[in-house]
Amino acid sequence: GAGVSQSPSNKVTEKGKDVELRCDPISGHTALYWYRQSLGQGLEFLIYFQGNSAPDKSGLPSDRFSAERTGGSVSTLTIQRTQQEDSAVYLCASSWGLGTDTQYFGPGTRLTVL
Amino acid sequence: KQEVTQIPAALSVPEGENLVLNCSFTDSAIYNLQWFRQDPGKGLTSLLLIQSSQREQTSGRLNASLDKSSGRSTLYIAASQPGDSATYLCAVRPNTGTASKLTFGTGTRLQVTL
Repeated sequence: GAGVSQSPSNKVTEKGKDVELRCDPISGHTALYWYRQSLGQGLEFLIYFQGNSAPDKSGLPSDRFSAERTGGSVSTLTIQRTQQEDSAVYLCASSWGLGTDTQYFGPGTRLTVL
Repeated sequence: KQEVTQIPAALSVPEGENLVLNCSFTDSAIYNLQWFRQDPGKGLTSLLLIQSSQREQTSGRLNASLDKSSGRSTLYIAASQPGDSATYLCAVRPNTGTASKLTFGTGTRLQVTL
């Protein structure tokens, strides 16, 4: 079946502009995660959605970052007033949401802020 | 704060060689540990997931072990092939709080040469 998909695959924007990144999880997966992978650094957790529960936003680096998940499926990560340090690959993952679950990752969106 | 370290950072081996990748973590209060591979420009592919109660998991030529008390995991790759060339990441899931987020190591970049 289809895996996790993300769009766009690449995004180049100017400093100060807002961007939206989209994630389509695997059908039926109740848990959805966003991560950021910066050059030379490891993967950094950003936010986690589980069903209808309040999301775990503890990894968001600033209030310029927000995410929503509509209808328990598609998620959008929004970065307002982008800065050059926001340049990174943004990865989305989904899982069944059970305690023993495996996370399945999308191909990522490469964001470049000029 | 959980810290995950992977050694070596990079490794080059000739085809056919057996190899071991190392992962260590500072907080043994984990729910599970997962090994991923990441190909250039791609997302992550889950390889093996070990629950905290387990000692090892095997899939084909891959074997992952876990020693939770000492905070270590190893990924053993038998009879390496050029197609195994990728970055290998380990990630731990905590067993406290919402247990939602994975903490990743910085990875081992593996090159298998002909």
